[in-house]
Amino acid sequence: ETGVTQTPRHLVMGMTNKKSLKCEQHLGHNAMYWYKQSAKKPLELMFVYSLEERVENNSVPSRFSPECPNSSHLFLHLHTLQPEDSALYLCASSQDPATPYNEQFFGPGTRLTVL
Amino acid sequence: QKEVEQDPGPLSVPEGAIVSLNCTYSNSAFQYFMWYRQYSRKGPELLMYTYSSGNKEDGRFTAQVDKSSKYISLFIRDSQPSDSATYLCAMSVSGGSYIPTFGRGTSLIVHP
Repeated sequence: ETGVTQTPRHLVMGMTNKKSLKCEQHLGHNAMYWYKQSAKKPLELMFVYSLEERVENNSVPSRFSPECPNSSHLFLHLHTLQPEDSALYLCASSQDPATPYNEQFFGPGTRLTVL
Repeated sequence: QKEVEQDPGPLSVPEGAIVSLNCTYSNSAFQYFMWYRQYSRKGPELLMYTYSSGNKEDGRFTAQVDKSSKYISLFIRDSQPSDSATYLCAMSVSGGSYIPTFGRGTSLIVHP
């Protein structure tokens, strides 16, 4: 595997379900990110981890819970979601958020549908 | 007012056309400007980046920044069907954390 991988690619869940999204980066980067991409809206930053420590949480509802067990893996745990949470969830990594441009390397995303 | 404004399109052009994609922004502290390209069913990937004002050219692509107007552009010359994608502008401030702020993307369709 190369780059940033995400599983599953598609997920349909009911509002009472609990599920997790998984992201893995094979680039040796130090930072990982979760973004939410909804139709006609800007890409929204949700969480940032740098060296496995959460450094930013953009007022995301508590029904989204991130976990970063090591610098290569990132999870997003989901519970009691709402239909408006349906979106494409993108994981990204970067070498170091303190470097200019801080190029983001994205995975293909998980298309989430909440019924 | 949103920090970064970008028309979602879609923008449909014939093959060979010159394409102009634009973003406006409100935060005058933005210094680093980037364009990402996102193909269908893929994540965005960095296409070009520029620092502060000026132009930067890379093959058929030219990125332009006008800080006085808070306006950035991406020009694509001799557009090809393979350029069909969503183009997202992104920008970040100088110092500290360079986490980019993204626009919502413009969908471009280049038809043969």
